[in-house]
Amino acid sequence: AQSVAQPEDQVNVAEGNPLTVKCTYSVSGNPYLFWYVQYPNRGLQFLLKYITGDNLVKGSYGFEAEFNKSQTSFHLKKPSALVSDSALYFCAVRDEGFQKLVFGTGTRLLVSP
Amino acid sequence: EPEVTQTPSHQVTQMGQEVILRCVPISNHLYFYWYRQILGQKVEFLVSFYNNEISEKSEIFDDQFSVERPDGSNFTLKIRSTKLEDSAMYFCANRTDGYTFGSGTRLTVV
Repeated sequence: AQSVAQPEDQVNVAEGNPLTVKCTYSVSGNPYLFWYVQYPNRGLQFLLKYITGDNLVKGSYGFEAEFNKSQTSFHLKKPSALVSDSALYFCAVRDEGFQKLVFGTGTRLLVSP
Repeated sequence: EPEVTQTPSHQVTQMGQEVILRCVPISNHLYFYWYRQILGQKVEFLVSFYNNEISEKSEIFDDQFSVERPDGSNFTLKIRSTKLEDSAMYFCANRTDGYTFGSGTRLTVV
């Protein structure tokens, strides 16, 4: 069965500093990996995905993520955080051959001015 | 950019009542999903729908839940006899390039 772990409930970072939100996954086949952001009382907004190809994936709003097969990780990164990046971030995986996305528990990112 | 539209945005219902949540998917996308999220917590898979049939469902999607396409295009999620623990945000989604989610229906069971 596929699963996702987001080990940090909350990440605090100062504006202008780099940020990392961690994600590890477990699948039986090839992983399709996704990051979503959720602002209060809003839906899930797609940030980026990894299907195949380059391990470094660039997405919306300056975010990127690095796929590491040996460590089964897909950490979300941004070189310089903004206060407006403060939100709830979800990592998700779909196992090749299955249809559903499985989500992690989410990480709250708090960027201080 | 194509959108998935959900109605209503918020519904309050009494325990034991039936509720119907509605979703207008993106046209011509065959894969469709319902998820729920309890109070800003984990997003949980309920059911997937492919080519007019349920393709997968979770343990949460028991006999009190059903999904239909009443007019061949829109989708509904019906909860027959709501319980307090059904209070959650319910999201529908299409499988697009990155899975497109609707803005959700907040269901409050009192």
